[in-house]
Amino acid sequence: GQQVMQIPQYQHVQEGEDFTTYCNSSTTLSNIQWYKQRPGGHPVFLIQLVKSGEVKKQKRLTFQFGEAKKNSSLHITATQTTDVGTYFCAGGSSGTYKYIFGTGTRLKVLA
Amino acid sequence: NAGVTQTPKFRILKIGQSMTLQCTQDMNHNYMYWYRQDPGMGLKLIYYSVGAGITDKGEVPNGYNVSRSTTEDFPLRLELAAPSQTSVYFCASSNDFLTDRRYSPLHFGNGTRLTVT
Repeated sequence: GQQVMQIPQYQHVQEGEDFTTYCNSSTTLSNIQWYKQRPGGHPVFLIQLVKSGEVKKQKRLTFQFGEAKKNSSLHITATQTTDVGTYFCAGGSSGTYKYIFGTGTRLKVLA
Repeated sequence: NAGVTQTPKFRILKIGQSMTLQCTQDMNHNYMYWYRQDPGMGLKLIYYSVGAGITDKGEVPNGYNVSRSTTEDFPLRLELAAPSQTSVYFCASSNDFLTDRRYSPLHFGNGTRLTVT
């Protein structure tokens, strides 16, 4: 079945450093969504990518969708303590409405 | 607007007991999902539904059952609870395509924290 892996599993950064998490799917995706989960909370939608090679920005966050629509990345520039949490990608497959979540990357920002 | 509501928030079960986790949404979404999240881990899809009367298995369906008799409700049933089912359970819903043909995001409930001892 479809698998979605994320690396790294954990990342500790000093405040102000950059951070990147990578997402890889075993199958071609129709779209990929990114979520953030604060400790003790539920996942909250950040963004969705649909087109091959698509790049989207949200303030300090940059999201990319690979040309083959099997991988994606999230880059945070100049991290802040408010960026702490776990970042998940979720891959959607064409013809189904199910979303398989990646394993997540837990980000810790040290002030 | 309540969104996705899950009850109960917490529950402790003994091995072999059964229970139903409730999930209801007031956004008239067609698609609903159940995920489980083990401590420090990612989310695994248990079951999902594309509309009333239609359900399908996800990645980890064993030990669970679902039904979808209405658009609003998507309960998850645990029969014969086992310690391996200790987890946080999230229900989510989503809509059809958005007006720009992009996919609708998942809206999550606050979760049910279940412990089986």
